[in-house]
Amino acid sequence: AQSVTQPDIHITVSEGASLELRCNYSYGATPYLFWYVQSPGQGLQLLLKYFSGDTLVQGIKGFEAEFKRSQSSFNLRKPSVHWSDAAEYFCAVGPNTGGFKTIFGAGTRLFVKA
Amino acid sequence: NAGVMQNPRHLVRRRGQEARLRCSPMKGHSHVYWYRQLPEEGLKFMVYLQKENIIDESGMPKERFSAEFPKEGPSILRIQQVVRGDSAAYFCASSPPSGGRGNEQFFGPGTRLTVL
Repeated sequence: AQSVTQPDIHITVSEGASLELRCNYSYGATPYLFWYVQSPGQGLQLLLKYFSGDTLVQGIKGFEAEFKRSQSSFNLRKPSVHWSDAAEYFCAVGPNTGGFKTIFGAGTRLFVKA
Repeated sequence: NAGVMQNPRHLVRRRGQEARLRCSPMKGHSHVYWYRQLPEEGLKFMVYLQKENIIDESGMPKERFSAEFPKEGPSILRIQQVVRGDSAAYFCASSPPSGGRGNEQFFGPGTRLTVL
């Protein structure tokens, strides 16, 4: 079955510290992978996406993610977190053969402490 | 280029009433998706529509829920006889006609439905 797992419900990091949010997926074919961020009461904003090619992808706001096929993972990283990064982060997977159904993880809520 | 627009942003209904949620996709986008987000949960796919066609409604509850995307005008998600369990944020997303690059979707700000 297709699924996305974000093992951490919430994470707290200090401002300026590095961040890694975990994402594992189960998918029958080579997927398209996404990370979205959602601020409270807002919609989702795309941070980055992986379709093919270089497995390390750069996104907006200083985020990057690495696709590891052998581990079925697509972890999100940021070297230095800012207080404004506090939000909920969703990993998602979609088909690369056309189609439409994007499957979302349950999300990881990031708290940033001063 | 305006993004995906949803209205209303907040909707309050009493049990048994109808809720109508509207979504205008981005200019040039012909595919619309509806998702539901329950409190403290991720987004769950509900339905995928193209103009005048429902392509996949496998995530829609079998009763009380319907969706349309007419030739003219916005996409509508309709919930009849709402119950408290329908309280959630409903997000619409749109994407351009498929061009071999998967289905990157652009999300609207959502409609937060509260059923009293």
